[in-house]
Amino acid sequence: AQSVTQLDSQVPVFEEAPVELRCNYSSSVSVYLFWYVQYPNQGLQLLLKYLSGSTLVKGINGFEAEFNKSQTSFHLRKPSVHISDTAEYFCAVSDGDTGFQKLVFGTGTRLLVSP
Amino acid sequence: EPEVTQTPSHQVTQMGQEVILRCVPISNHLYFYWYRQILGQKVEFLVSFYNNEISEKSEIFDDQFSVERPDGSNFTLKIRSTKLEDSAMYFCASNPDRGLEAFFGQGTRLTVV
Repeated sequence: AQSVTQLDSQVPVFEEAPVELRCNYSSSVSVYLFWYVQYPNQGLQLLLKYLSGSTLVKGINGFEAEFNKSQTSFHLRKPSVHISDTAEYFCAVSDGDTGFQKLVFGTGTRLLVSP
Repeated sequence: EPEVTQTPSHQVTQMGQEVILRCVPISNHLYFYWYRQILGQKVEFLVSFYNNEISEKSEIFDDQFSVERPDGSNFTLKIRSTKLEDSAMYFCASNPDRGLEAFFGQGTRLTVV
């Protein structure tokens, strides 16, 4: 069964600094990878996804992620964060062999941006 | 932009009561899902539904849970006899086809007292 590891439960960072949120997944022949953001008291919003093709994917709000098959990683990055980026970020994976049947989520990383 | 709609946004119920959470998926979508998120924990898959039947369910989805698509637009999750540990945020999601990402609703916060 697929699993996702987000090692950092919380990442504090100053405004305008770069940030990387780490995500590793259990190996599979093919996977679909996603990052979702959850603002306080809100639902899940898709930031970006990797289905196939270029390993560097760009998403909304200036975020990007790189799929690294050899390291089974899909780290999320932003070169300069804003206060408004404070939220919970979830990495998720689905099995590319069976299609998008379900998502397996990581435990989440809380990004705290301070002035 | 089309979106997945969930009602109510917050439901409080007494332990042992039945509760129905409602979702209206995006109209041309074919696959439907329920997930839950206990406060402070990760989002967990409950069940997927396709072609009017359950295609996959997790260990959490026991006999107390059921899903239904009663009228071609709504997608409901029923909990027959709620327990305190059912308190969570419940998310509905849908996607148009295999291999495409799901769109999530805003969630229903269920509080069992």
